[in-house]
Amino acid sequence: ETGVTQSPTHLIKTRGQQVTLRCSSQSGHNTVSWYQQALGQGPQFIFQYYREEENGRGNFPPRFSGLQFPNYSSELNVNALELDDSALYLCASRGGQGSYNEQFFGPGTRLTVL
Amino acid sequence: AQSVTQLGSHVSVSEGALVLLRCNYSSSVPPYLFWYVQYPNQGLQLLLKYTSAATLVKGINGFEAEFKKSETSFHLTKPSAHMSDAAEYFCAVIYGGSQGNLIFGKGTKLSVKP
Repeated sequence: ETGVTQSPTHLIKTRGQQVTLRCSSQSGHNTVSWYQQALGQGPQFIFQYYREEENGRGNFPPRFSGLQFPNYSSELNVNALELDDSALYLCASRGGQGSYNEQFFGPGTRLTVL
Repeated sequence: AQSVTQLGSHVSVSEGALVLLRCNYSSSVPPYLFWYVQYPNQGLQLLLKYTSAATLVKGINGFEAEFKKSETSFHLTKPSAHMSDAAEYFCAVIYGGSQGNLIFGKGTKLSVKP
């Protein structure tokens, strides 16, 4: 069984650019969540997708957007990058929306904004 | 605002000593509670979770945690630290009424001295 994978592993962008991060969920998982982990901090919830629709969002501006595809893989898009967007971006998948369902995390994409 | 607090950003113990990492949540209604571990340059791995069954929860790698409603706490312990336990540990909660998104503490970095 393949776990959660993310690409790319590292990315360097400049301020004002746009970036797309990708996540392949674990087989059979239909719910994907994205988290931002700034250096020295705990992960913060960005948003969640269930069956291709966003059904939960944290305190992030609209320039953070996402998609979920029919195979339940997902993208995180960030427009107009700011220096503070530099962080590790984690994707997690689970098999259903239930709060008790374990979330399985990918290794993350480290984004550096210069 | 709903939150989770981890006391101590850095804990250092000797190999073989007791490990105690503290976590308190802020809700009168017990949430679901989790402990995750993060090794350098890796994603998050679930150690254990509390979902309103037994108050003493046993996890992987010899860790356990006890849910104490009266203290709104969910401290993580391990009787005897091993060098391989050196990592960052995150306490996380899912509060009722949410879409199942995790709220993380700021993390505690555990160092193990030989």
